[in-house]
Amino acid sequence: NAGVTQTPKFRVLKTGQSMTLLCAQDMNHEYMYWYRQDPGMGLRLIHYSVGEGTTAKGEVPDGYNVSRLKKQNFLLGLESAAPSQTSVYFCASSPSTPNSYNEQFFGPGTRLTVL
Amino acid sequence: GENVEQHPSTLSVQEGDSAVIKCTYSDSASNYFPWYKQELGKRPQLIIDIRSNVGEKKDQRIAVTLNKTAKHFSLHITETQPEDSAVYFCAPYHPRTYKYIFGTGTRLKVLA
Repeated sequence: NAGVTQTPKFRVLKTGQSMTLLCAQDMNHEYMYWYRQDPGMGLRLIHYSVGEGTTAKGEVPDGYNVSRLKKQNFLLGLESAAPSQTSVYFCASSPSTPNSYNEQFFGPGTRLTVL
Repeated sequence: GENVEQHPSTLSVQEGDSAVIKCTYSDSASNYFPWYKQELGKRPQLIIDIRSNVGEKKDQRIAVTLNKTAKHFSLHITETQPEDSAVYFCAPYHPRTYKYIFGTGTRLKVLA
């Protein structure tokens, strides 16, 4: 089991460029999440998905779009990158259970710099 | 909306002493309470969690206590070691929204 993987690990963009971050999990988890972590701060939720074909906004969704076309993949897109989006991006997944509380499994992160 | 506060923001202890970090949440429907450890440049790592129907859980030197009435839970680390130095986050889970809301973190430094 690879767990949760993220592609790429590092990326440098110029302002206005676009890119897509890929998150993949092989644990058959229903729920997937995208967070950003700025230096010295906690994780803030960007978007999340509770199943294939569904997405929802988190705390800081502006400037980002997501898609969950396949259960195992969750894509995060930046249409026009801005320096304020310089951050470390973490993807996480968790299973659904009848009682609805679940351990999250995190990917290794993507370090994005926007110049 | 959901509000999560974590205290203290920084904590320095001597090796061998105990450390306690407290997390206060606002949503009474929260039912899962994890603590994560994050080392520099690494992903958050789950170190202990507790469900809403349990008051305390212990795993070797680490314990978590939950007070649902007061809406707070605490991380207790005993016999601290230099390798415990890291940033610790709480992230109570909200079943109605499927979201985990992370606290702002506590930087723990264990002095040898």
